[in-house]
Amino acid sequence: QVQLQESGPGLVKPSQTLSLTCTVSGGSINSGGYYWSWIRQHPGEGLEWIGYIFYSGSTYYNPSLKSRVTISIDTSKNQFSLKLNSLTAADTAVYYCARLSYFDTNGSFDSWGQGTLVTVSS
Amino acid sequence: EIVLTQSPGTLSLSPGERATLSCRASQSVDSNYLTWYQQKPGQAPRLLIYGASSRATGIPDRFSGSGSGTDFTLTISRLEPEDFAVYYCQDYGTLITFGQGTRLEIK
Repeated sequence: QVQLQESGPGLVKPSQTLSLTCTVSGGSINSGGYYWSWIRQHPGEGLEWIGYIFYSGSTYYNPSLKSRVTISIDTSKNQFSLKLNSLTAADTAVYYCARLSYFDTNGSFDSWGQGTLVTVSS
Repeated sequence: EIVLTQSPGTLSLSPGERATLSCRASQSVDSNYLTWYQQKPGQAPRLLIYGASSRATGIPDRFSGSGSGTDFTLTISRLEPEDFAVYYCQDYGTLITFGQGTRLEIK
């Protein structure tokens, strides 16, 4: 069973860039039919899709964040990453990496990391 | 952009009762791509139902999903103590959108 694990700083200063990495184990990130995704959840609120990447490197972003987001993939390390720039306090959230399965579960997120809390504060 | 509106915002029920949660889309969605998740405090969401009505692996049969077009329903036939959580619907389309969630609390 595939497992995902986020890593990165828990505290970032305003105006800086957040960098998070998701390490995938128990399966290859090169597998077709999956989109490797980032989702965030502001404290006490709902879920917000940030974007996802296919193993080929094709990316799709939420238009509301597109100007500040870059998602990349390193198939040799079985990892994918998120960069979010120009941070403000509004970016404080729990960030999840997740696998979206297009064929198995029809565009659902079937595996999730545990989430990592990122606080934007000086 | 499709907006998913869940109702009620909070549902207070007792164990053993039946829960009915609604997810309404601002425009018609393909039911093949309508998903439900359960989230407990401090945990990542867990996939419950995909394709509007298919249970994910390991999900008890007291959970069922239905609906089409703009109206979808998640039903929990007989609530167990572990079912009290927040539930989200999600659509996969040009964009991915989530509903704002329904909190199911113990009465």
